[in-house]
Amino acid sequence: KQEVTQIPAALSVPEGENLVLNCSFTDSAIYNLQWFRQDPGKGLTSLLLIQSSQREQTSGRLNASLDKSSGRSTLYIAASQPGDSATYLCAVITQGAQKLVFGQGTRLTINP
Amino acid sequence: DAMVIQNPRYQVTQFGKPVTLSCSQTLNHNVMYWYQQKSSQAPKLLFHYYDKDFNNEADTPDNFQSRRPNTSFCFLDIRSPGLGDAAMYLCATSGGNLGEQFFGPGTRLTVL
Repeated sequence: KQEVTQIPAALSVPEGENLVLNCSFTDSAIYNLQWFRQDPGKGLTSLLLIQSSQREQTSGRLNASLDKSSGRSTLYIAASQPGDSATYLCAVITQGAQKLVFGQGTRLTINP
Repeated sequence: DAMVIQNPRYQVTQFGKPVTLSCSQTLNHNVMYWYQQKSSQAPKLLFHYYDKDFNNEADTPDNFQSRRPNTSFCFLDIRSPGLGDAAMYLCATSGGNLGEQFFGPGTRLTVL
């Protein structure tokens, strides 16, 4: 059974710093992997989809990497801003049924 | 803009009084999902439709049912809400072959 872990559970950094959020998964036989952002009381916003054949994917200040063999993905946020404060969720897309298996999320706070 | 819409955004119901939550999409995606998310937890998949084919998760209570009358709309019916059903309910869609899911803003359900 696929399990996804995100460490740390919470992170607080000053504005302007570059930071890395970590995601690990137990079964390397994934279809793809998706990173989401969730603001309090809101739905999930898709940030990046990284296909299993890719090593990384970039969107603006965000860069996601994927190492399937070691069961790891990272989300790199450059030049963090207070508006980046949110919970970030990593989700593995399973093969076959293509369901999402979520990590518990990292709650990120960017301090002005 | 193509999107996933959920109505209402906030729903208050009484213990045991049936309630229906609505989801519509303009993405023309063939797969629609319903998730339950409780505070500080990851979303939990309740069921999904692949076109008209209904797929229930093994641990979804019988109290939860769903209807998909056409491609654009999907409904979540809670037959007899209990206090433990108070949560955020998220609808998502998926199309194409990447397995990427797109979420609506959610409906916050309160049970009195």
